[in-house]
Amino acid sequence: DTGVSQNPRHKITKRGQNVTFRCDPISEHNRLYWYRQTLGQGPEFLTYFQNEAQLEKSRLLSDRFSAERPKGSFSTLEIQRTEQGDSAMYLCASSLVGGYHEQYFGPGTRLTVT
Amino acid sequence: SQQGEEDPQALSIQEGENATMNCSYKTSINNLQWYRQNSGRGLVHLILIRSNEREKHSGRLRVTLDTSKKSSSLLITASRAADTASYFCATDRGNQFYFGTGTSLTVIP
Repeated sequence: DTGVSQNPRHKITKRGQNVTFRCDPISEHNRLYWYRQTLGQGPEFLTYFQNEAQLEKSRLLSDRFSAERPKGSFSTLEIQRTEQGDSAMYLCASSLVGGYHEQYFGPGTRLTVT
Repeated sequence: SQQGEEDPQALSIQEGENATMNCSYKTSINNLQWYRQNSGRGLVHLILIRSNEREKHSGRLRVTLDTSKKSSSLLITASRAADTASYFCATDRGNQFYFGTGTSLTVIP
């Protein structure tokens, strides 16, 4: 399968713990995006990378959220000191560079903070 | 926050009928895309229309874009039960990407 993969698929954590999610994009895609989706809502854009450069991060939800893409391949999204309001589906997508390329989404990581 | 809004929020039709859903957005865009999300499955890209295009077709899908009204519509013709899903429009504003709130489509066999 050469699609976008995300790990883990589910994560249950206690409030206050840190969590890290991983996304592996389609291999030839330069761009990688992170979104959050809550029940009944559309995906909410968080940040994106072009190769290893993080080009937009102003929409990360708070300073507890951070993302990296150290070698321009896979990416990680970390949430520190999780809160119950962080419970959501976290989606990753990748695309080719350019304004006219669709994004391919992974299956998501469902986070539950207890 | 969501830049786009789809209308209606929910739509129920009989198999074989056409389904039309609309998307409105707030600011200028580079392109607009439509995605489908089935229950329990990921988002799948359906069609992309550039800001300088007015209409685009792909199989049973027809998308229109009116940049003066900041709106788009998605028409699904000859609907099938498998079209049951949530449909989202997404706008590309350069470095930021916005999805709408979605239209939930139910196609009754």
